[in-house]
Amino acid sequence: SAVISQKPSRDICQRGTSLTIQCQVDSQVTMMFWYRQQPGQSLTLIATANQGSEATYESGFVIDKFPISRPNLTFSTLTVSNMSPEDSSIYLCSVAHYEQFFGPGTRLTVL
Amino acid sequence: GENVEQHPSTLSVQEGDSAVIKCTYSDSASNYFPWYKQELGKGPQLIIDIRSNVGEKKDQRIAVTLNKTAKHFSLHITETQPEDSAVYFCAASIIGGSYIPTFGRGTSLIVHP
Repeated sequence: SAVISQKPSRDICQRGTSLTIQCQVDSQVTMMFWYRQQPGQSLTLIATANQGSEATYESGFVIDKFPISRPNLTFSTLTVSNMSPEDSSIYLCSVAHYEQFFGPGTRLTVL
Repeated sequence: GENVEQHPSTLSVQEGDSAVIKCTYSDSASNYFPWYKQELGKGPQLIIDIRSNVGEKKDQRIAVTLNKTAKHFSLHITETQPEDSAVYFCAASIIGGSYIPTFGRGTSLIVHP
């Protein structure tokens, strides 16, 4: 299994600001993902973070709003830009070898 | 693309009873079906999974069954305990493909002591 940590665990932000979420894995992984989970909802894939190249975004998500970095095989960041209250969600980092593992999540509230 | 339906959305049982959560999928190419448990304030945790070449898998009080013909799979929890209370997600994916799983909408299981 993989141990995944995220920072921050939660934050309260003002409208129009940006927040960068960090994800650290205890082993090298090829596949790393970012998900959004809105209150009481299922998991929605934002993008696949690719090491050494641009992230691959799912329909409805764009790089300008959710820029992602993946400088190496154990670390990634997701930035939520120009935030609005609709961005209030839990953001989850995930990795997959064959099984998929999730980080503890970052609970974001935008006022 | 794959579509995963999960039922019920909420399930309330008494401690000691059994709980069953059902999922259906649409893509016959899917061959890997994990189940996740998400406790309040935590990320989802993999609790059991099944591949399409197996019809049933059991791990203590938890079991998963798969019917490939009907494209449905179920999670069975026996002798439920209050600590089983959580949201459970099913998922379907293709091992050897893009891997990215499709998740069900989740079932909130409440076990009353």
